[in-house]
Amino acid sequence: DTAVSQTPKYLVTQMGNDKSIKCEQNLGHDTMYWYKQDSKKFLKIMFSYNNKELIINETVPNRFSPKSPDKAHLNLHINSLELGDSAVYFCASSQGNYNEQFFGPGTRLTVL
Amino acid sequence: AQSVTQLGSHVSVSEGALVLLRCNYSSSVPPYLFWYVQYPNQGLQLLLKYTSAATLVKGINGFEAEFKKSETSFHLTKPSAHMSDAAEYFCAVSAYTGTASKLTFGTGTRLQVTL
Repeated sequence: DTAVSQTPKYLVTQMGNDKSIKCEQNLGHDTMYWYKQDSKKFLKIMFSYNNKELIINETVPNRFSPKSPDKAHLNLHINSLELGDSAVYFCASSQGNYNEQFFGPGTRLTVL
Repeated sequence: AQSVTQLGSHVSVSEGALVLLRCNYSSSVPPYLFWYVQYPNQGLQLLLKYTSAATLVKGINGFEAEFKKSETSFHLTKPSAHMSDAAEYFCAVSAYTGTASKLTFGTGTRLQVTL
């Protein structure tokens, strides 16, 4: 059983398009996250939700909008995709804020 | 504000040799510290964590790390490297910011293991 799953694994799209990435966790955790890993492998947090409430919102363009329909799901919608959005996006979850985070396999987004 | 510095973006060791990956942190509050490993085209997997209990932390796959407050360090070691240890390793610090706990990663160290 996959603990944190993401779909799709790969996403190739044209500039200007709108796309979504979905994340689901079956660990019963109450906190979920989105991270962006750039081409140099640098990982940076984008958003965090606790019990469906947004608790971390880093300096991310408004084109990125997270949505958490329930504790087990956190989706990321990106409008008007730009070349610079190309990266690997990781979803993660944890129980509470201080405990270790469990990561999904990542979604490699390529914007052409 | 918190930050992590990983010295050496690339470390190469021979199989059977000691692995030492360096991590220094900065945090205005007592930190929780983590080491994660990322194998090619995969997500991150937790190796070990420090949460203010024992300063010497043992993790999976024979790795361990020692928290040294005086040196603000949390270096990762393994006595004998295996080929399967080749991966990207990330040190991370977590500290409560008033509204939530945020995990800040270092820039990563790629470990190469040679025969």
